[in-house]
Amino acid sequence: QQQVKQSPQSLIVQKGGISIINCAYENTAFDYFPWYQQFPGKGPALLIAIRPDVSEKKEGRFTSSFNKSAKQFSLHIMDSQPGDSATYFCAASIDRGGSTLGRLYFGRGTQLTVWP
Amino acid sequence: KAGVTQTPRYLIKTRGQQVTLSCSPISGHRSVSWYQQTPGQGLQFLFEYFSETQRNKGNFPGRFSGRQFSNSRSEMNVSTLELGDSALYLCASMRRETQYFGPGTRLLVL
Repeated sequence: QQQVKQSPQSLIVQKGGISIINCAYENTAFDYFPWYQQFPGKGPALLIAIRPDVSEKKEGRFTSSFNKSAKQFSLHIMDSQPGDSATYFCAASIDRGGSTLGRLYFGRGTQLTVWP
Repeated sequence: KAGVTQTPRYLIKTRGQQVTLSCSPISGHRSVSWYQQTPGQGLQFLFEYFSETQRNKGNFPGRFSGRQFSNSRSEMNVSTLELGDSALYLCASMRRETQYFGPGTRLLVL
């Protein structure tokens, strides 16, 4: 059972456009939601992370939004560039009493292609 | 600071053999997690070690095992390899809630 559902599976965006990836979860114990970027032949690299007490977090061109009531979170990539072409994963984990258990539940990934 | 390193980067084995993969975490990180990445199943959690103790375990058969040493370096072992074990095996070290991934070991089972 996939605990974090991610869509779309693939996304094609023109250079300068906005890329939007959405994720949904069921387990209300999740309280840490990172986004990872992975290039071919590389391990995933953390882009941005958000917690339920924050509705939006921005780092450069990347913005993560969180909707606690809908149990959804999303990634927006503004001014998308060809160098952003990669696979993006959303994930979730449980933080118990301040000690985060090192288990991430990943979405299935979104393959983003940005056309020049 | 050096990142997470994994050795070897590529490995070819045959069915029935066993394999050991190694992971060196970022200096000072005490938690190491392992993940299996395949096109069909995506990224799946194998187990996590913290201060030489397994703290969490995913839903993989007992053929998958791991350990962590006093210097936080970790190894994972897969015995009696099956064709379906072909995958990218990723190791991540964690500080606070952030996991930093290594480049992975690509295992091909023939």
